[in-house]
Amino acid sequence: EAGVAQSPRYKIIEKRQSVAFWCNPISGHATLYWYQQILGQGPKLLIQFQNNGVVDDSQLPKDRFSAERLKGVDSTLKIQPAKLEDSAVYLCASSLGEGLGNQGETQYFGPGTRLLVL
Amino acid sequence: AQTVTQSQPEMSVQEAETVTLSCTYDTSENNYYLFWYKQPPSRQMILVIRQEAYKQQNATENRFSVNFQKAAKSFSLKISDSQLGDTAMYFCAPQQNAGGTSYGKLTFGQGTILTVHP
Repeated sequence: EAGVAQSPRYKIIEKRQSVAFWCNPISGHATLYWYQQILGQGPKLLIQFQNNGVVDDSQLPKDRFSAERLKGVDSTLKIQPAKLEDSAVYLCASSLGEGLGNQGETQYFGPGTRLLVL
Repeated sequence: AQTVTQSQPEMSVQEAETVTLSCTYDTSENNYYLFWYKQPPSRQMILVIRQEAYKQQNATENRFSVNFQKAAKSFSLKISDSQLGDTAMYFCAPQQNAGGTSYGKLTFGQGTILTVHP
């Protein structure tokens, strides 16, 4: 079974530029998550999709971050314009999304995209 | 919002020995899940073990077991017969219960870096 795919693996940009990350979840997984992991910290949820609808984006900086999941499969996360503090690893994860509120479900993570903003 | 405390930033253990990683959390819910995830140097996060708060019996998965103290809101991870491949960052992550606007969000602790020495 193929895992969660993410691209690119690394990205270096200058502040005020824009950048986009792509994620392809495990086939059949209804729930998709984007996390931001700053060096030395635990991942922080940015946005959660159930199929192609957003169910939690409470910690997404909406003035600069946006995400979409067209057709309920793969997803893109965009930052525009980037700031120095956006330097982090961006993790995508997916889960089956069968149970109420995804209770007890394993989240499967991709390898992440390491972003450096100069 | 849930808070998660992993009070040991770094731990080390000799191969074949046992080590315990601690985690405390704050929640007002009665039934929920708790997870330990492992992030090796390759950075792909994987599930180690999960516990349902409703169950009194501590979860075990081969060499990994938990000591779940619900009243104390403590969820420690014990690794027996440590192996070199256990070297990783370990994250404790309670899951918010479904209901209202919550869709089973995970809140990750700061992590504990575990190094297994030969």
